[in-house]
This record gives sequence, structure tokens and C-alpha cells, in this order.
Amino acid sequence: DGGITQSPKYLFRKEGQNVTLSCEQNLNHDAMYWYRQDPGQGLRLIYYSQIVNDFQKGDIAEGYSVSREKKESFPLTVTSAQKNPTAFYLCASKPWGNTEAFFGQGTRLTVV
Amino acid sequence: ELKVEQNPLFLSMQEGKNYTIYCNYSTTSDRLYWYRQDPGKSLESLFVLLSNGAVKQEGRLMASLDTKARLSTLHITAAVHDLSATYFCAGPALNNAGNMLTFGGGTRLMVKP
Repeated sequence: DGGITQSPKYLFRKEGQNVTLSCEQNLNHDAMYWYRQDPGQGLRLIYYSQIVNDFQKGDIAEGYSVSREKKESFPLTVTSAQKNPTAFYLCASKPWGNTEAFFGQGTRLTVV
Repeated sequence: ELKVEQNPLFLSMQEGKNYTIYCNYSTTSDRLYWYRQDPGKSLESLFVLLSNGAVKQEGRLMASLDTKARLSTLHITAAVHDLSATYFCAGPALNNAGNMLTFGGGTRLMVKP
């Protein structure tokens, strides 16, 4: 089945650690996105990528990094510079044009 | 930059009642998307509205788009408990290089028996 797979579903991070969230899609979509959702809030864009080896900062990129070495994969690293990383992280992909974005199941990150 | 505002942010309603969720956006956009999110889950696409005057219906939900007024509505008819969820609207700004979506804050709907 085609879709977007995020892993892990739950992730715990110690203070000062970097952690990487995985996002893989087999939909052959060009564009991929990372959003952050805080409890009771909407989605805020962290990073996006339109093509391989290229990505752009979104509204809240500080403390995060990404890579896009393959079309199918867009991992997000939450660095120690991100002071408040506890949130629900959603990865999405979208073909070019007037269609909707498709979302993965999300990763819930908690700082312990 | 596109800004998207939804209201109400929270809606508690009785089963069988009708209600409308409003989505206003700040700049010209020719398309608008509606998503549903269940607690702790991801977002599920509900409607894609691609032109002024577009209307789409699925079951008890109907969405419409007025690009001149910069307004989209999600109308709920004869609500049932299964519709309890958070609903988001999202839109892309024209000339948006990233082809990305900007989301409203969401409307949390609770339908009571």
C-alpha cells in the first residue's frame, strides 16, 4: 500500500540529546513537510523540501535540522538547541499541484 | 504570508443539531482544504475546494468556498457522536514557492448524546 510512514510512534529524549524522527513515503511525491503540533494547537511548519538535496526553513526551524538525500525520505533531527521539543510531530507529502497533502501517523516526542 | 483563522475554536453541540465552522484567510487563495483529526491521531483529508463557489458534501458534512470573501465554511447537519474530532482548514498562498499548507488553529467539536 502507498503511504507515509513515520517512526517511532513514541520517542523519549533526555536533556541535551539529539534525536532523529524518520519519515518515509512511497507515493512518489516531490514535496515533503514537517509540522509540529502542541496540545490543543494547530500545526506549525518546521521545514519543507520540494526536491531532493534541497530544503527550506518554515516558521519554527530553530533547533531542528533535516536532510533530503532520497525522494522517499525526509528525516527530522531535533537538536539540543530546541529548548521545548515536547510535541506531536507530523510529516506530510504532497504531489505538485492542487491536491491535498497526505500525513503520516505522527511521532509523539517527550523530554524526560 | 497567508494567515488562517477558524472559529469557533471549541464547539459543544447536541446530537441532531446543525452548526457551521468558519475559516477566514488573509490573502487571496484559490483553494482551501479541510482535515479531520481524532485525538492522538494524524490528519485525514476531508475536502479539497479548488474554485470560488465550490461546494462538496460527504455524509453530514458540507464544505464551501467563497474566494472573494476569503471564507470557507464546514456545515454539520444533524450531528452524531462520531463526528466528534478536531477540524482544521488549510490553504496555500498564491505564489507559494513551497506549495505548502498554512493551517488554522482548529475547531474542536464535541457532539453530546
